[in-house]
Amino acid sequence: EVQLQQSGPEVGRPGSSVKISCKASGYTFTDYVMNWVKQSPGQGLEWIGWIDPEYGSTDYAEKFKKKATLTADTSSSTAYIQLSSLTSEDTATYFCARGDGGSPRYWGQGVMVTVSS
Amino acid sequence: DVVLTQTPPTLSATIGQSVSISCRSSQSLLDSDGDTYLNWLLQRPGQSPQLLIYSVSNLESGVPNRFSGSGSETDFTLKISGVEAEDLGVYYCMQATHAPLTFGSGTKLEIK
Repeated sequence: EVQLQQSGPEVGRPGSSVKISCKASGYTFTDYVMNWVKQSPGQGLEWIGWIDPEYGSTDYAEKFKKKATLTADTSSSTAYIQLSSLTSEDTATYFCARGDGGSPRYWGQGVMVTVSS
Repeated sequence: DVVLTQTPPTLSATIGQSVSISCRSSQSLLDSDGDTYLNWLLQRPGQSPQLLIYSVSNLESGVPNRFSGSGSETDFTLKISGVEAEDLGVYYCMQATHAPLTFGSGTKLEIK
């Protein structure tokens, strides 16, 4: 069974960074890209970017290029997103989702990030 | 970026009623490989999104066949033939033909 288990909720101070994990199981981690999606409170879905764990290659939406850094550890089948220079605009739930030929078939449970001083 | 315009923004339906949601793209979603990467997702309250339909009309495994997708190029439709209580939530179309991936603004389905 494919599972994406994300880390727990985070609270970050303005200007700091947080790093969220997404541990994959039930499939070969390097066979699929991992997408990351942001959902601000009460809002819709925004694609942040994806990482190909096999090669470490990434692609980002323009607005997230200076905000998010995607990495992957193939030894632990875990994908990460680091969010830097946090502001109130970064308060949101962040999802990882396995990319199956353009379709986000499997999703993590989401991680709530709260930016607060 | 591709803009996906979903209508209506909200939908109220009775159990058993059939409903449709429209998704219009600002540009053709037909890829050079011949596929059209237009998907439909449902996000139930408090849950992660789930894939319902991929590549316009392909029903995801385990999804009831009361859900169906149709369309081409720039105009797409999700139909629910006989709404059930568990169908409440927000429906999103999303495209993966053009980078960056983009989502529609969502359609909230309420049960009367």
